Order: sequence, then C-alpha cells, then structure tokens
Amino acid sequence: DAGVTQSPTHLIKTRGQHVTLRCSPISGHKSVSWYQQVLGQGPQFIFQYYEKEERGRGNFPDRFSARQFPNYSSELNVNALLLGDSALYLCASSFDLARETQYFGPGTRLLVL
Amino acid sequence: SQQGEEDPQALSIQEGENATMNCSYKTSINNLQWYRQNSGRGLVHLILIRSNEREKHSGRLRVTLDTSKKSSSLLITASRAADTASYFCATDRDNYGQNFVFGPGTRLSVLP
Repeated sequence: DAGVTQSPTHLIKTRGQHVTLRCSPISGHKSVSWYQQVLGQGPQFIFQYYEKEERGRGNFPDRFSARQFPNYSSELNVNALLLGDSALYLCASSFDLARETQYFGPGTRLLVL
Repeated sequence: SQQGEEDPQALSIQEGENATMNCSYKTSINNLQWYRQNSGRGLVHLILIRSNEREKHSGRLRVTLDTSKKSSSLLITASRAADTASYFCATDRDNYGQNFVFGPGTRLSVLP
C-alpha cells in the first residue's frame, strides 16, 4: 500500500498570492490532519478533517482553509501569503478521529518571497 | 506556549551509548506520543503511551510517563548512527481532534 502522498514537493510563491496543497491519505484512513513546521520548530496543528467534516482547528488565521473530498483526500488553501507562511506543510492520515497513530507524508516545502 | 517541551534541545552521543530525551507538558492528557523526523522530512510515529500507563517498551525504545509531574522520557538504548534525527513529543488533550500539540524537539546526533 502507498503511504501518504503530498503534492507538490516544493513551491515558491510571492507575497499576496494564493496556494493550494494536496494530500492523499493511506487507503482506508478517514482522517487527515495538516501541520505547519517552521524551520527549527515542532509541527503546529492547523486542521483535522474526519469524514469530510472539520473536527479540529489550530490557532491559525482565516487565510488558512481546508477541505476533504469524498475519497478522503484533502486540500489546504492559504490566501494572501505572507513571508512568515514559509514552512514545511505536513499532512498526516489516521484511521479514525483519535489519531493514536498518524502516518505523515513527506511534506510540501513552501517558500514565500 | 507549546504544550510539549523537550529537553535537551540538542544531544550528541557516541554509537552504542544510550540517549535520553525528556518532555514536559502543561495540561491533563489522554495520551502522549513520540515521533522521529529525519532531516526535515515527514515524521514517523514511534510509540504511544496512555495516561494510565507508566512505562512502555518497543525494541530499543523505552518511554516513561509521570502524570503527576506532567513529564515523559524517551530512552534509546545502544544507539546507532541511523538514530540521528529530531525527536518530538506530542500530546492530545482529548479524542476529538483538539489541541494536538508537538514540542520543539530534541536534535539527536549519534557519532560513529
């Protein structure tokens, strides 16, 4: 079975632009969580989606949004990019809501210039 | 401030030695998890310990949890160069997707 996949792997944007990041969970997993990891820090929780509904949200501005599709894949959208949005964006899938074991994708590295 | 705080921030040891990393947190938890990350890539789940457990083993890993002190430790025995990575603890205060929080991590270097 394939692991969690994310696309693109790298992305360069300029301030004010919009970006969409994509994640495909492990087959059979219904929960997808998104994290932002700034260089040298631990991942920060952004969203969790389970069965296509938002089930958790971290302390991020409304510029960040996400959705989950019927096939459980997910998109993370960030509007009006700021330099501080430069980070590694990680997607994790788990079988259920509890997230007792999360499987992480390789991440999308976003650079905002 | 972050829920989980690992210490030390960085640790350098020789192959074969044991490595101990500590994690402190602030609120009550249902479980605590440890993850490993190699060179800024995706994280790998190592072990989960529940709030009613005191110690757990998985291969060369030993995790302890002291809920009275709100702290956990990860011990890697007989370390190898391949153990070189960043290690993070993460707490989940409830089972409904709220506040899954990682600490800043311990960067472990195992020298051959």
